[in-house]
Amino acid sequence: DQQVKQNSPSLSVQEGRISILNCDYTNSMFDYFLWYKKYPAEGPTFLISISSIKDKNEDGRFTVFLNKSAKHLSLHIVPSQPGDSAVYFCAASDSGTYKYIFGTGTRLKVLA
Amino acid sequence: ETGVTQSPTHLIKTRGQQVTLRCSSQSGHNTVSWYQQALGQGPQFIFQYYREEENGRGNFPPRFSGLQFPNYSSELNVNALELDDSALYLCASILTAGAYTGELFFGEGSRLTVL
Repeated sequence: DQQVKQNSPSLSVQEGRISILNCDYTNSMFDYFLWYKKYPAEGPTFLISISSIKDKNEDGRFTVFLNKSAKHLSLHIVPSQPGDSAVYFCAASDSGTYKYIFGTGTRLKVLA
Repeated sequence: ETGVTQSPTHLIKTRGQQVTLRCSSQSGHNTVSWYQQALGQGPQFIFQYYREEENGRGNFPPRFSGLQFPNYSSELNVNALELDDSALYLCASILTAGAYTGELFFGEGSRLTVL
């Protein structure tokens, strides 16, 4: 049972345009969400987080939106840059456990 | 730079052997988790240690075991290796003292190949 789903395995976007990566979850106990970026041969790097008391969190070019009723979150990258090309994972947890459930990832390719 | 270091970075074992992977996390990060990332998948939670005690476990058999030491280092041990254990093993530390930030700080991983 996949509690966190990233239904798009890959996404290609032109440099300068917006990248939107989506993530759905099923467990209503999840109240903390993270996005990670991963390059080959490196560990995942933290990008941005959001707790369930918010519906939006912004950090520079990265914005995460949370729709609790739809159990859906999205990561917006504006403007997209070639260096953003990587695999992006969303992760969710019940903050009482620190146990994170990860999605399967979306490979983003930003075309110059 | 997350302050989490793992060793070895790569290793090859044969079926039935045992392996120990090591992790050193940041001072003050008293919770450490281990994740397994198979090819094409997201990281899967193996278990978590807090103050040297296991306090959470994912859907992994008992041949996956761990230790956490007072100096914030930890180990993942896997006995009776199987071909499906081939994966990237990630260690992550969490600052759990004070306000909850929830961020996992990952190391670069240990890539295990079982032949």
